[in-house]
Amino acid sequence: DSGVTQTPKHLITATGQRVTLRCSPRSGDLSVYWYQQSLDQGLQFLIQYYNGEERAKGNILERFSAQQFPDLHSELNLSSLELGDSALYFCASSVWGGTGGTNSPLHFGNGTRLTVT
Amino acid sequence: GDSVTQMEGPVTLSEEAFLTINCTYTATGYPSLFWYVQYPGEGLQLLLKATKADDKGSNKGFEATYRKETTSFHLEKGSVQVSDSAVYFCALRRRDDKIIFGKGTRLHILP
Repeated sequence: DSGVTQTPKHLITATGQRVTLRCSPRSGDLSVYWYQQSLDQGLQFLIQYYNGEERAKGNILERFSAQQFPDLHSELNLSSLELGDSALYFCASSVWGGTGGTNSPLHFGNGTRLTVT
Repeated sequence: GDSVTQMEGPVTLSEEAFLTINCTYTATGYPSLFWYVQYPGEGLQLLLKATKADDKGSNKGFEATYRKETTSFHLEKGSVQVSDSAVYFCALRRRDDKIIFGKGTRLHILP
């Protein structure tokens, strides 16, 4: 058990709809990362938050947004969904990588499988 | 820019065979290096790591050595089992907290 909780596990929705994915990080971790994993298995970095603030952005579409709340849980919002958004969405948490935290691994949740029909 | 390159899969081996999955990287500074494993239906989990040159990470019979001169971090196991079938990801983490993953290598072990 990584200590990272993602809900829901599965989500089926229609094109054009909006969904929210939720992540609770491992206790003590201030950094949260969101990744998208498509069928070809590659991991696409979407966005990172540290202690409530956005720290890094990857190839995140404008239709997607995220935030990290004061209790450190994070939500990823996906809107105007398209068939191509069907994928596994992973959340990971870690201690901050700067000032000595580089040695720390990411701890991944089990993902939310999104199916857009 | 910085990158991580892994050998393409799938890799198919018979049980008890020797495994090598190649990983090379380009990065500024001195990143930490990681191997993660993803079993079917699960998230990635840390397999092993190395934080400086010549460090050897090991876990569950897997090993990888941080080779700065060849910028490599190849994953090896002497005798694989069917239960090792999974997707393996090589990754680096820089001091500015940028994290880069390879594309993953799918491993199939035949009984």
